[in-house]
Amino acid sequence: KNEVEQSPQNLTAQEGEFITINCSYSVGISALHWLQQHPGGGIVSLFMLSSGKKKHGRLIATINIQEKHSSLHITASHPRDSAVYICAVEDGGGADGLTFGKGTHLIIQP
Amino acid sequence: KAGVTQTPRYLIKTRGQQVTLSCSPISGHRSVSWYQQTPGQGLQFLFEYFSETQRNKGNFPGRFSGRQFSNSRSEMNVSTLELGDSALYLCASMAGNEQFFGPGTRLTVL
Repeated sequence: KNEVEQSPQNLTAQEGEFITINCSYSVGISALHWLQQHPGGGIVSLFMLSSGKKKHGRLIATINIQEKHSSLHITASHPRDSAVYICAVEDGGGADGLTFGKGTHLIIQP
Repeated sequence: KAGVTQTPRYLIKTRGQQVTLSCSPISGHRSVSWYQQTPGQGLQFLFEYFSETQRNKGNFPGRFSGRQFSNSRSEMNVSTLELGDSALYLCASMAGNEQFFGPGTRLTVL
């Protein structure tokens, strides 16, 4: 069973700062997902990665398959980026669905 | 296109009762996954259905069951409710490798 660790657990930053959230996993995967959850519970899928790097607006996600590590970056952070960011992995066989990290609670102060 | 819908949004039950939650995926999506989210365990995978067949199942007791209908709508059932079943239950429908989450059903067991 894959173990997914995220760091930091909590992060408070000022508006405009560059944010990095890290995710590591223990067993090889077929894909990694980054999710965003706002207060109230709604979850939005941000990225699905199997290699390299993806960018969408101010968000950038990278993955290093050899090191079993992924990072989510937010450039020019804004208070509306405040949310819980969750990393989830799919194993190669897909038999266990997604395995989730505990999430990173991000607060961006104006 | 309408998003993923879940009903009911909130539910209060007592121990020993059973409950049925419903999920309607985005039109055209044939895969539906269910997840449980609790403060202690975070997000955990329950099961995945594709074309009315259970494709994957997470590590939950047999009290948790589900099904999918020919129109791709899915239901999950929890029998003999326990206090620990209090959680946010999320479903997601999938297109390609991207998951689209519903707003969740918040179940409280008293």
